[in-house]
Amino acid sequence: EAQVTQNPRYLITVTGKKLTVTCSQNMNHEYMSWYRQDPGLGLRQIYYSMNVEVTDKGDVPEGYKVSRKEKRNFPLILESPSPNQTSLYFCASRTRQGREQYFGPGTRLTVT
Amino acid sequence: SQELEQSPQSLIVQEGKNLTINCTSSKTLYGLYWYKQKYGEGLIFLMMLQKGGEEKSHEKITAKLDEKKQQSSLHITASQPSHAGIYLCGADVGSNYKLTFGKGTLLTVNP
Repeated sequence: EAQVTQNPRYLITVTGKKLTVTCSQNMNHEYMSWYRQDPGLGLRQIYYSMNVEVTDKGDVPEGYKVSRKEKRNFPLILESPSPNQTSLYFCASRTRQGREQYFGPGTRLTVT
Repeated sequence: SQELEQSPQSLIVQEGKNLTINCTSSKTLYGLYWYKQKYGEGLIFLMMLQKGGEEKSHEKITAKLDEKKQQSSLHITASQPSHAGIYLCGADVGSNYKLTFGKGTLLTVNP
């Protein structure tokens, strides 16, 4: 089954404790991205990757890092999480010609 | 940057009624996506429109793209409680395959 998986689905952590949210897709897609969704602000892109070892900033990259060492994986790293990073995070992937952007199930992060 | 305005922001309808959600872009639309989201859950792809005048249907949901008006509309016929959720429109922006999203329309369907 074609899918994008994210782990963990729910995470509660404390300020400053480094964390990684994993994202994996099994569709051999070149393009992957991370979004955060906040009430009243909608979905905003954090980082994206056009292919292995190619990443770039989206609209709200501050406080986040990503890496793309393998085509299927695109982890999101929060080196020092802060409460304003409490949000619902989505990973997505698509082909360059793709008509559909597949989204993961979401990771709800709470930083206290 | 391109902005997408969705209207209405929220909508409450009685089961069986028809409804329309609009998505208006501040720039030319090259690809317009419609997604549905249950609160706090993932996004489910509904359909994508690329050409002006294009119209697509999925079960009781129809979407149209009006290039001249830079607008897309999503129409639900004979709404059911299963249609309830947040409807999001997204548009292709530039060449980096990024999607810009509207803020969503919250649909409630009362039995």
